[in-house]
Amino acid sequence: DADVTQTPRNRITKTGKRIMLECSQTKGHDRMYWYRQDPGLGLRLIYYSFDVKDINKGEISDGYSVSRQAQAKFSLSLESAIPNQTALYFCATSDFTQGAGDTQYFGPGTRLTVL
Amino acid sequence: KQEVTQIPAALSVPEGENLVLNCSFTDSAIYNLQWFRQDPGKGLTSLLLIQSSQREQTSGRLNASLDKSSGRSTLYIAASQPGDSATYLCAVSGYSGGGADGLTFGKGTHLIIQP
Repeated sequence: DADVTQTPRNRITKTGKRIMLECSQTKGHDRMYWYRQDPGLGLRLIYYSFDVKDINKGEISDGYSVSRQAQAKFSLSLESAIPNQTALYFCATSDFTQGAGDTQYFGPGTRLTVL
Repeated sequence: KQEVTQIPAALSVPEGENLVLNCSFTDSAIYNLQWFRQDPGKGLTSLLLIQSSQREQTSGRLNASLDKSSGRSTLYIAASQPGDSATYLCAVSGYSGGGADGLTFGKGTHLIIQP
């Protein structure tokens, strides 16, 4: 089984709908992240969480919210989806150990289309 | 604001050649630098991580170097193979919570190795 899983893998929705993307990990990592990838713009950080009580905004958090339900679960919500939120969304995890570098590991991605 | 640039944007070389991918970043106050590989429609695979105190890391045919003061990193691929064809992404993290915060990515180098 994959260490970082994302559901759904593909989603098509309409403008104005509320959407939740879910991420689960079995790596036992404390830190989790959400990114989006757009052609020509690369990957950009939306939100990150160092533990269940610590959530931080990234570069492009407007229009998104997150919930860290447990150490292993980190959800991304679009309260009212708009077409320019069409993108490939990635969840990532990392295990901060002093001196070990904090490598990030990525899930397979969710392709979201907002019509 | 940290900015990451990768040169070239695309590269096509015959099988067996050694090649160098370049990455530069504007703010030298980084916690670490990671190189990733992304295959079409897939997630990101971590290749190498270099902590800010390190100069290089090696894994098999891959060698990554870091010159933090000048804001540069290179990824050297020896004896390239068709299976190396992918997009290579460079990303840096800043400091937060005693370790790394989220990653800032370059737009990638699209590499094609011709059989």
